[in-house]
Amino acid sequence: AQSVTQPDIHITVSEGASLELRCNYSYGATPYLFWYVQSPGQGLQLLLKYFSGDTLVQGIKGFEAEFKRSQSSFNLRKPSVHWSDAAEYFCAVGAFGNEKLTFGTGTRLTIIP
Amino acid sequence: GAGVSQSPSNKVTEKGKDVELRCDPISGHTALYWYRQRLGQGLEFLIYFQGNSAPDKSGLPSDRFSAERTGESVSTLTIQRTQQEDSAVYLCASSPREGFRGNQPQHFGDGTRLSIL
Repeated sequence: AQSVTQPDIHITVSEGASLELRCNYSYGATPYLFWYVQSPGQGLQLLLKYFSGDTLVQGIKGFEAEFKRSQSSFNLRKPSVHWSDAAEYFCAVGAFGNEKLTFGTGTRLTIIP
Repeated sequence: GAGVSQSPSNKVTEKGKDVELRCDPISGHTALYWYRQRLGQGLEFLIYFQGNSAPDKSGLPSDRFSAERTGESVSTLTIQRTQQEDSAVYLCASSPREGFRGNQPQHFGDGTRLSIL
């Protein structure tokens, strides 16, 4: 069975600082990987996705993520965070022939001035 | 509409009552998914519809939960004899028929926040 671990429950970052949110997955075959962001009271917005090809993926709002098969990781990065980035971030994994997404428990990001 | 639409946005009901939650997917999306998000948790898969195929119900937590979908449009998630542990946000998502095979992600609605008193 596939699983996703987001080891950081809560991260606080100063505005303008760099950000890295960790995601580790467990799956026997090549995974499909996603990062979603959820603002309070809102649904999930897709930030970026990895299906195949280039392991460095660019997304919306200046985010990027790198798929590292050897480390079973798909960490999310942003070089300079903005106050509007404060939200909950979820990593998710799917697979060919299995359209059900498995989500991590999320990382809450707080931005301080 | 442009996105996945869910109604109601909030629902408060008494324990033991039945509730119906509605999801209207993106036009043209044949795949529809229901997920549950309990407070402080990630999303749990509930059920998956793909066109006219038999739905994948493997995530439904009990026989009090059921879902229907009319063709490739609206879906209704029904919870009978609600319990307090059913309190959660119920999120619906949709995607085109080709799904992951076609590099298509799932697109989510804003959810229904269900509170059982």
